[in-house]
Amino acid sequence: DGGITQSPKYLFRKEGQNVTLSCEQNLNHDAMYWYRQDPGQGLRLIYYSQIVNDFQKGDIAEGYSVSREKKESFPLTVTSAQKNPTAFYLCASKVTGGRTNEKLFFGSGTQLSVL
Amino acid sequence: SQELEQSPQSLIVQEGKNLTINCTSSKTLYGLYWYKQKYGEGLIFLMMLQKGGEEKSHEKITAKLDEKKQQSSLHITASQPSHAGIYLCGAGPAGNNRKLIWGLGTSLAVNP
Repeated sequence: DGGITQSPKYLFRKEGQNVTLSCEQNLNHDAMYWYRQDPGQGLRLIYYSQIVNDFQKGDIAEGYSVSREKKESFPLTVTSAQKNPTAFYLCASKVTGGRTNEKLFFGSGTQLSVL
Repeated sequence: SQELEQSPQSLIVQEGKNLTINCTSSKTLYGLYWYKQKYGEGLIFLMMLQKGGEEKSHEKITAKLDEKKQQSSLHITASQPSHAGIYLCGAGPAGNNRKLIWGLGTSLAVNP
């Protein structure tokens, strides 16, 4: 079955450490997104990519980095510069990046906590 | 900037009761999405509305977008425990993915 796979489900980060969250999709979607979800706040866009080898900053990109070397993969690195990384991270994809009449498909999320 | 307000923030209903969740914007909505989320899990797509006055149904869930395209409602008929979760609305202007914005969600509990 096609879908989006996020791993790991739970991740712990030590002070000063970079950690990478994995997002893989086999839906053949061009566009991929990373959102952060905090209690009491709506989904906030971190980074998005509309095509391989290209990505743009979202509303809260500081302290995060991404790469899009393959169509299927869009990993998110939470760097030590992100001082408040504890949150639920959601990866999403859609067929193309240029239209709004396509739904987003979401992964099952990664809960990141600071030790 | 455009914001989406969801109401109520949380809801507890008895199994079998009907309920309505609202999503309101101060500006015209171009594409309104409804998703459901179980705690600690990803979002599951329910429905998308684009035209003023549009109404869609899936099983016991009906979503409507008003004529002015500034308010959407999600109505659940004869609620069941399986309907429990967080319901989120999202919307964005045509042609701009980046600007997709989200409501804070409505938490629904259904007591058997």
